[in-house]
Order: sequence, then C-alpha cells, then structure tokens
Amino acid sequence: GEDVEQSLFLSVREGDSSVINCTYTDSSSTYLYWYKQEPGAGLQLLTYIFSNMDMKQDQRLTVLLNKKDKHLSLRIADTQTGDSAIYFCAESMRGYGGSQGNLIFGKGTKLSVKP
Amino acid sequence: DTEVTQTPKHLVMGMTNKKSLKCEQHMGHRAMYWYKQKAKKPPELMFVYSYEKLSINESVPSRFSPECPNSSLLNLHLHALQPEDSALYLCASSQGGGSGNTIYFGEGSWLTVV
Repeated sequence: GEDVEQSLFLSVREGDSSVINCTYTDSSSTYLYWYKQEPGAGLQLLTYIFSNMDMKQDQRLTVLLNKKDKHLSLRIADTQTGDSAIYFCAESMRGYGGSQGNLIFGKGTKLSVKP
Repeated sequence: DTEVTQTPKHLVMGMTNKKSLKCEQHMGHRAMYWYKQKAKKPPELMFVYSYEKLSINESVPSRFSPECPNSSLLNLHLHALQPEDSALYLCASSQGGGSGNTIYFGEGSWLTVV
C-alpha cells in the first residue's frame, strides 16, 4: 500500500539550514511535492520534483531525490522565523482519467525556528 | 494567477442544515479536487473531477455531494452532517489529462458541525 513517512518535529536556529526528510513507498509515483501549511491556512505549494530528476534548486530550497532508496529531502537554506510551519511531503498517484492530483501525504513535519 | 479561491472561509452548521462549499479557479485547469483535513492530520482525498466528470470518489458518505458546474467551479454540498465531519475542506486544481504537475490548493473552508 501507499505510505509516506516523515519525522514529526524539527527545531533549528534562525540562519541555520533545515533539512526535512521523507520516505515513500510507491516507486511508480511520477511527481513528489513539498507543501507548507501555516497555522489556520491552506496548503502552499513550495516545490515539486519529477521522478527522473535527482535534484532541484529554487532559491533557498533544494530538493534531493534518491529514487533507489525512495527518499526525498527538502533543504531550506538560511532558515527564517517566517519559515516556521508544517511541511508536508506528498507523492502523486495517477488517478482515473489521468489526473495527477491524487496525493498521498506524509503526516507533516513541524518546523520551529528559534531566533 | 495561481489562485484557487474557496468560500466561505468559515462555516458553522447544524446537523439538519443544508449548506455548500464553493471553489473557483481561473488557471484553465481541467482537474479539480476536494480534500478533507482533520486537526493535526494530513489532508485526505475525497473526490476528483477530471474534465468536469467525477473520476474518483474515495468512499465518501453520501451526505457529501460534489458538483462541477463548469471547468472553473467546484461545489461540495453538505447535508445531515455529523460533528465528526468538522474539519478543514481543501479544494485543489491541476492541469489534468495526464499532463501538468503543479497542484494548487485553496486556503480551505473551516467547517464546524454542531
């Protein structure tokens, strides 16, 4: 069955790098995503990576994908207090009609940034 | 514009009420989704519409009734809900049709059933 695992908590100091890890089970997933959720808010798409890529960089964010180990990580450089939120890793399952939005989410990692 | 707009932001309803949640996107996406998120839990898929046709219903009780009037709009009709249905209801959209890989979520509608 599908399962996405993440550690539940991460605490870092402002200015440090944060690394949030995720493992997934379905090797047929074509896209893997990172979403950010602040308290009381919806999900903000941070970045995604296609399964044939190893790495993707977008400003302060670096995503690494190890397809052999089914391991995905999100690195946030120069972490700021505004980065405090819950970060969800998600894998996409191809749905009927070819839609890609059937996402299986991890439980989320709560990132706390201390000043 | 990468916005998915949901209304209302907050809704309190009694167990005998009938209400609707609404979702709108103007990105030309052809797939739209409803997710349910309970407190301190990840979102879980409820329904998928692809090209305005219901393509996935994840065994959701019939007291939740989705509707896709056109490619930009998605509704979720609520009737005879239970207190355990209280949650954040998230709408999302993507290009669909096997292409497109960016799935955008709205801010959600917070539902409280009393």
